[in-house]
Amino acid sequence: KQEVTQIPAALSVPEGENLVLNCSFTDSAIYNLQWFRQDPGKGLTSLLLIQSSQREQTSGRLNASLDKSSGRSTLYIAASQPGDSATYLCAVFRGGGADGLTFGKGTHLIIQP
Amino acid sequence: NAGVMQNPRHLVRRRGQEARLRCSPMKGHSHVYWYRQLPEEGLKFMVYLQKENIIDESGMPKERFSAEFPKEGPSILRIQQVVRGDSAAYFCASSPGQLFTEAFFGQGTRLTVV
Repeated sequence: KQEVTQIPAALSVPEGENLVLNCSFTDSAIYNLQWFRQDPGKGLTSLLLIQSSQREQTSGRLNASLDKSSGRSTLYIAASQPGDSATYLCAVFRGGGADGLTFGKGTHLIIQP
Repeated sequence: NAGVMQNPRHLVRRRGQEARLRCSPMKGHSHVYWYRQLPEEGLKFMVYLQKENIIDESGMPKERFSAEFPKEGPSILRIQQVVRGDSAAYFCASSPGQLFTEAFFGQGTRLTVV
């Protein structure tokens, strides 16, 4: 059974710092990995999707990497801003039309002004 | 192109009543997934549907819960005889249905059972 773990569970840093969020998964047989952002009381916003054949994806100040063989992904946020404060979720998709996404519990990020 | 639309956004039901949650996928998407997020828990997969078919319901509780995605209209998640433990945020996601594609989520329905 696939399990996804995110470390740290919570993180508070001053504005302007670069930071790394970690995600690990137990079953490396995945089709893709997706990073989401969730604001309090809101839905999920997709940030980056990495296919299993890819090593990384970039969007603006965000960069996500994937090491499928070791079951790890990182989300790098450059020059953090207070507006980046949210919960960041990592999810893996096994594919084959089954199970949907398996989510981690998230990293609750606070960027101090 | 509107995103995934869920309604209602908030739903309050008394114990024993029925709850109906609706999800309209993005235009052109024929695959729908339902997830549940309990307080202090991660999102858990419940059911995966295509038009008129349930593909995988392995995450759905065996009793009181059902889902459908008719040929016309939104997908419906139905919870009969709700109990306090059903209080959660229920999210719907849609995709075009091909492998390697991105899942897009709705804003969720927050169900409170009183």
